[in-house]
Amino acid sequence: DTEVTQTPKHLVMGMTNKKSLKCEQHMGHRAMYWYKQKAKKPPELMFVYSYEKLSINESVPSRFSPECPNSSLLNLHLHALQPEDSALYLCASSQGPAVGSYNEQFFGPGTRLTVL
Amino acid sequence: DAKTTQPNSMESNEEEPVHLPCNHSTISGTDYIHWYRQLPSQGPEYVIHGLTSNVNNRMASLAIAEDRKSSTLILHRATLRDAAVYYCILRDSRPGKLIFGQGTTLQVKP
Repeated sequence: DTEVTQTPKHLVMGMTNKKSLKCEQHMGHRAMYWYKQKAKKPPELMFVYSYEKLSINESVPSRFSPECPNSSLLNLHLHALQPEDSALYLCASSQGPAVGSYNEQFFGPGTRLTVL
Repeated sequence: DAKTTQPNSMESNEEEPVHLPCNHSTISGTDYIHWYRQLPSQGPEYVIHGLTSNVNNRMASLAIAEDRKSSTLILHRATLRDAAVYYCILRDSRPGKLIFGQGTTLQVKP
């Protein structure tokens, strides 16, 4: 199984809602990532989890809250989002982000989020 | 953070080779050069990576300049399925951080 799955595929939410995005992989990877991609722009890294611990937070607003309950699962909890947060949210995983080595990142298809 | 520069778009004919250039003049000695591509409505997928030497795999070849300030991704025979945005990426010194450039949109004409 070389797949990263993301649910839901599409999500529409109001600015007062609380919702969660889910990402799952069963490749035994120990690093997982959240990226945000606006239309016609490259993906931008938001968070990196390594061995279930948050290792990189790219100064993301606190209305985005990541969680890594176990090595196969990554969540992104959303609360009080703004319309400008509407984007494609991509999850990725890699065997490990160890310094000095290369780890190919496997991406999921993304969740298309619309904030009204 | 080291940055990459790519042409916004390129066109190719089906079954012809395609050379996608990338400039990375501020690359450091330990930065790996990666290429990912993103097909429409999909997440990015890994294509190839290298450090100093030219690299080949089943998808493509990567030619790296001797001074490492530029590289070229080579698709030997473009197919319609290769139409995508191709990203040239330098791996940040921190583990796991890929810094995506703006990418090149490749159109393949039948």
